[in-house]
Amino acid sequence: EDQVTQSPEALRLQEGESSSLNCSYTVSGLRGLFWYRQDPGKGPEFLFTLYSAGEEKEKERLKATLTKKESFLHITAPKPEDSATYLCAVQAGRGSTLGRLYFGRGTQLTVWP
Amino acid sequence: GAVVSQHPSWVICKSGTSVKIECRSLDFQATTMFWYRQFPKQSLMLMATSNEGSKATYEQGVEKDKFLINHASLTLSTLTVTSAHPEDSSFYICSVILGGLAGGSSYEQYFGPGTRLTVT
Repeated sequence: EDQVTQSPEALRLQEGESSSLNCSYTVSGLRGLFWYRQDPGKGPEFLFTLYSAGEEKEKERLKATLTKKESFLHITAPKPEDSATYLCAVQAGRGSTLGRLYFGRGTQLTVWP
Repeated sequence: GAVVSQHPSWVICKSGTSVKIECRSLDFQATTMFWYRQFPKQSLMLMATSNEGSKATYEQGVEKDKFLINHASLTLSTLTVTSAHPEDSSFYICSVILGGLAGGSSYEQYFGPGTRLTVT
């Protein structure tokens, strides 16, 4: 069964304190791994897609990396406005509905001044 | 990316009534849309896959007669919660997929802002 596990469930950082969020996955034939940001009461906002092990992508203070079993979302010198829930999702290949995503439970990040 | 809207953004209804939620793809013709449900402090759970011009595909445990999906055009899918009950209160989110080139590329998925349903 395809599974996505995110850790930690919650993370509190002081402004400027860098850290990483983890997403580990087991899936048949990974088509892509996705990171989203979700603010309270809103839909997920697309951040990154990673397709193959070794791939990295960056956007402002965020950097996503991918290995064969997990992905990391690195947050460098976070600011309070980075506070949100970060969701990881994978898209399987074989035997899966086209385009379907399997989500982790998310990491709730709080950055305090 | 793709721009997706939902209407209404929130709705309160009485138990036993039906509620319709619209999902529109504003700048992209979407043959496939997804409907998700999210309970407080939980992740998104896929309810169904909506395909333009054909019947929706429901996930295991989702009642197709209770959650009616109509994808009548390439830019509009609707979810109707029939005979709503308090346990149906949740955050409903739709999404569209973008991409899908031949050769196994992944499909990027873009989400609407969500609809908060409260059944009293």
